[in-house]
Amino acid sequence: DADVTQTPRNRITKTGKRIMLECSQTKGHDRMYWYRQDPGLGLQLIYYSFDVKDINKGEISDGYSVSRQAQAKFSLSLESAIPNQTALYFCATSDPGGEQFFGPGTRLTVL
Amino acid sequence: GQSLEQPSEVTAVEGAIVQINCTYQTSGFYGLSWYQQHDGGAPTFLSYNGLDGLEETGRFSSFLSRSDSYGYLLLQELQMKDSASYFCAVREGTGGFKTIFGAGTRLFVKA
Repeated sequence: DADVTQTPRNRITKTGKRIMLECSQTKGHDRMYWYRQDPGLGLQLIYYSFDVKDINKGEISDGYSVSRQAQAKFSLSLESAIPNQTALYFCATSDPGGEQFFGPGTRLTVL
Repeated sequence: GQSLEQPSEVTAVEGAIVQINCTYQTSGFYGLSWYQQHDGGAPTFLSYNGLDGLEETGRFSSFLSRSDSYGYLLLQELQMKDSASYFCAVREGTGGFKTIFGAGTRLFVKA
């Protein structure tokens, strides 16, 4: 079984809809991250969490919110989706040494 | 602010050696990581430099010079399967657990 899982893997939605992307991990890591990747570009940090009570904004948090429901779960929400939020979204965890482990990604299309 | 610069594309021949450079500008620098991403896949960790010097892992080596805000990834004995995108990533903040990625270098390996 994969250590970091994301659901859904693909989602098509319409402008203005609320969307939640979910991430679960079985690695036992405290630190979790959400990134967005646009075609041909790098990963931009949206939010990160160092434990259940610690949530931090990343480079591009506007239009997004997160919830850390448990050590193993970190969800990303788009309150009112817009077309320029169409992208590939990755969840990641990091071990005590700082190495990051990524989920398979969620491909989101906002029409 | 933070910025990372790396070439957008590099092309090399199978069996050759290629070097991918990365320069960075950031506050609270902790270390430099490298990740590999194949098309359609998730990024995977390759190496980390917390101190100046060279780290070697099989065919891959990574170098860091803190005084020059510069690092590189060296890939030796290139294979077709090395065709992928390579991202340098700065670790910063307390404990270095916040990671900021560059835009990536797309490596094409030709037969």
